[in-house]
Amino acid sequence: DTAVSQTPKYLVTQMGNDKSIKCEQNLGHDTMYWYKQDSKKFLKIMFSYNNKELIINETVPNRFSPKSPDKAHLNLHINSLELGDSAVYFCASSQYPRPPGQGGTGELFFGEGSRLTVL
Amino acid sequence: RKEVEQDPGPFNVPEGATVAFNCTYSNSASQSFFWYRQDCRKEPKLLMSVYSSGNEDGRFTAQLNRASQYISLLIRDSKLSDSATYLCVVRAGGYQKVTFGIGTKLQVIP
Repeated sequence: DTAVSQTPKYLVTQMGNDKSIKCEQNLGHDTMYWYKQDSKKFLKIMFSYNNKELIINETVPNRFSPKSPDKAHLNLHINSLELGDSAVYFCASSQYPRPPGQGGTGELFFGEGSRLTVL
Repeated sequence: RKEVEQDPGPFNVPEGATVAFNCTYSNSASQSFFWYRQDCRKEPKLLMSVYSSGNEDGRFTAQLNRASQYISLLIRDSKLSDSATYLCVVRAGGYQKVTFGIGTKLQVIP
């Protein structure tokens, strides 16, 4: 009964191809994220959506296009894949932070990651 | 200056040792702070939230110093199973972005 699930877990593809990664959360959270973890293990935010609306868009090439059909889903489509896109892509979700003592602090819950290898 | 800075390590410590990790953040408007743990080839998982008054969870103690913009994690009586990368995480507030440090790698040695 996975809280944040993403598919596929592994993706191997050629340069120039287009691929998508899907993410779903059943936690009832209102915010979802995509993070990229490269070979140096640094987790860098790419996008954040709140109730289907884009709220954070870091300096990501426009070959990356997120889509959120509803607040429980956030998909990532990548066009014209490049070697440098090889990484692990993590989806995460969170609830809006509450004041102390009134609920969660807005911590993130992660999916298991999607390891993308571009050849 | 990086938004969240950590010493990447690795910290190699014997079982039973006490080890401390530090983290500094640049955004004085940051409101929420966390320590996450990431095992090799796994997703990050919340270890503990960090509160202004400091908090303890078993062998783990987290401290926050807002004046110095500094967060710490203390692990007492280290176990082999504590070997992992510990990520310092800062949220600026509300829907602001959640930023991760590079992580500090801990290796507990028998």
